[in-house]
Amino acid sequence: DTEVTQTPKHLVMGMTNKKSLKCEQHMGHRAMYWYKQKAKKPPELMFVYSYEKLSINESVPSRFSPECPNSSLLNLHLHALQPEDSALYLCASSQDVATSGASKYNEQFFGPGTRLTVL
Amino acid sequence: SQQGEEDPQALSIQEGENATMNCSYKTSINNLQWYRQNSGRGLVHLILIRSNEREKHSGRLRVTLDTSKKSSSLLITASRAADTASYFCATDNYGQNFVFGPGTRLSVLP
Repeated sequence: DTEVTQTPKHLVMGMTNKKSLKCEQHMGHRAMYWYKQKAKKPPELMFVYSYEKLSINESVPSRFSPECPNSSLLNLHLHALQPEDSALYLCASSQDVATSGASKYNEQFFGPGTRLTVL
Repeated sequence: SQQGEEDPQALSIQEGENATMNCSYKTSINNLQWYRQNSGRGLVHLILIRSNEREKHSGRLRVTLDTSKKSSSLLITASRAADTASYFCATDNYGQNFVFGPGTRLSVLP
């Protein structure tokens, strides 16, 4: 299985709602990533988990809360979002993220994304 | 911070022609990767080239890396309509961060 799955495909939420995005992979990868992508822009890295531990948080607002319950699952909990948070949220996984030295970021496998609209 | 920057930002070619996209970056890198994205969907990894490599091939794709000029190019030969997509370079600057360039939107016309 070489797929990364994401649910839901689309999500519309109000600014006071709490929702979660889910990502799953069964490739045995030990690194998982969340990206945010606005229309006609490149993906921007938000979080990196390595061996189920948060290794990188790219100064993301606290209204985004990641969680890695196990090596196959990655969640992104959303609370009190703003309309400007509307975007495509992409999950990715890779074999490893080295804790030091070279080759920290390897080939990443991406899911299809969740298109989020905040009203 | 913007690391990789692609050039051109949009490119239209006829089927069968070759397409060349360029990427420039600012800081030292460990590796540079190219990804393809079909209209608002997930990205697909194409090639990873390490800083000590100069050229890599994969099928109809050829990637070069010039670390002295801090630039890379992606060549797609004998393009097909199915190659229509956005192409992004992404740079790993020794684990400091992983940054995608703005991308090139390629249209291959039948």
